[in-house]
Amino acid sequence: QVQLVQSGAEVKKPGASVKVSCKTSGYTFTSYDISWVRQATGQGLEWMGWMNPDSGQTGSVEKFQGRVTMTRSTSTSTAYMELSSLRSEDTAVYYCVREGNWEWGQGTLVTVSS
Amino acid sequence: QAVVTQEPSLTVSPGGTVTLTCGSSTGAVTSGHYAYWFQQKPGQAPTTLIYDTIYKHSWTPARFSGSLLGGKAALTLSGAQPEDEADYYCLLSYSGPLYVFGTGTRVTVL
Repeated sequence: QVQLVQSGAEVKKPGASVKVSCKTSGYTFTSYDISWVRQATGQGLEWMGWMNPDSGQTGSVEKFQGRVTMTRSTSTSTAYMELSSLRSEDTAVYYCVREGNWEWGQGTLVTVSS
Repeated sequence: QAVVTQEPSLTVSPGGTVTLTCGSSTGAVTSGHYAYWFQQKPGQAPTTLIYDTIYKHSWTPARFSGSLLGGKAALTLSGAQPEDEADYYCLLSYSGPLYVFGTGTRVTVL
């Protein structure tokens, strides 16, 4: 069955970067785009951007452009999302999602605190 | 960027029917928005109930259905169960590609 397993929780200081991984299995990694979604505590879902694992092409919402980098390793069927210049407002749970039928990873809590 | 609007909260009686809607600030929602519906319970990742407006996953209970209604995407819950109490989010696809989540609806079964 399709599985997306994300890396563990992170605590970062303001100004630092964080890289979240999303290891996939149960399907052909290059056949479906991966989206990244975040959710601050008590808030709604926010779509951040997407990546085509086949071509490596990416796109993101304007507010994250210049701060978010989405990459992949086709050899390990793993997607990565790196967010830089972290601020307290970036504290949230970050999810990877396989597009198509939209299957979700379990989420990764990123806490930004001095 | 478009704004996608949902009812903030709805209450349904056990066994009752409730319809959640998902509207777009850019105009009528059509099949071209490929509407998705997600259910999220406290402390859990969302799960996908409906994709491409009307299609269900194998795990989607039969009491949930998706449609287009009055220029909006809609999720209807018929025969509500206590376990359906949750937050529900819609997602619309725009050209770009770009996705925008709805503001979310908290459904209470009471």
